[in-house]
Amino acid sequence: RKEVEQDPGPFNVPEGATVAFNCTYSNSASQSFFWYRQDCRKEPKLLMSVYSSGNEDGRFTAQLNRASQYISLLIRDSKLSDSATYLCVVNSGGYQKVTFGIGTKLQVIP
Amino acid sequence: EAGVAQSPRYKIIEKRQSVAFWCNPISGHATLYWYQQILGQGPKLLIQFQNNGVVDDSQLPKDRFSAERLKGVDSTLKIQPAKLEDSAVYLCASSPPGLAGNNEQFFGPGTRLTVL
Repeated sequence: RKEVEQDPGPFNVPEGATVAFNCTYSNSASQSFFWYRQDCRKEPKLLMSVYSSGNEDGRFTAQLNRASQYISLLIRDSKLSDSATYLCVVNSGGYQKVTFGIGTKLQVIP
Repeated sequence: EAGVAQSPRYKIIEKRQSVAFWCNPISGHATLYWYQQILGQGPKLLIQFQNNGVVDDSQLPKDRFSAERLKGVDSTLKIQPAKLEDSAVYLCASSPPGLAGNNEQFFGPGTRLTVL
C-alpha cells in the first residue's frame, strides 16, 4: 500500500459545483497534513494546513479523520480559476518525513 | 521578500553526462528540500537538510545522485551519470525554523531536466 494515496482524476465539474477530494495515508503515526495546489508547469503552493478540528478558508474546507486515516478537501462554488492539481502532503516519522500524493486534477468547466 | 531561487531553469543533456542544479532558499529558512517530480506524478522527496545536516536521504539514489549544503544556506544537487529516467522537474523548497514538518514549504520554480 502506498504511503499516501489520491485519486488522480481528472474531476471535471461545472462552475458553481461543489467537489470533494480524499487522500488516504498508511502511517497511523502521521502528525501533520497539508493541501498544496499546483498549476500546470508551476511549482506547488500551500493551499491550507489540515487541523484535527477541521478548518475552513473561504470556499475551501479541510478535514482530518484519524480513525479512518484520511484527509479531505471540499471546494464549494467552484470557479474556473480553481482548475489545478491538488496535492495531499503527509508528514510522519521521527523527523516528520514528507510524502506527497500523486495529486488530483480538477478541471472546472464553464 | 525574495523567494526560493533555482538555476538553471532548463537543462538538456545526453545520458551518461553529468549535471548540477543550484538552489538558494529564502533567507533564514533552516530546512531545505530537494524533490524530483516526474510528469504526472507528485513530488518525490530526494533529500532534506536541516541547516547543513542531512535529515532524510532515504530516497536519494546515492550511486548517481549527491547533494550538499555546506554553509547551511544554498545547496547543489548533482547527477552523475544521468539516465533517461532522470528526466523530470527538480524542485527545491525551504521552510522556516521550527518543527520542520509543521511548517509551510516554499518552492522554487524548478529545473526541468531532459535526458536524451
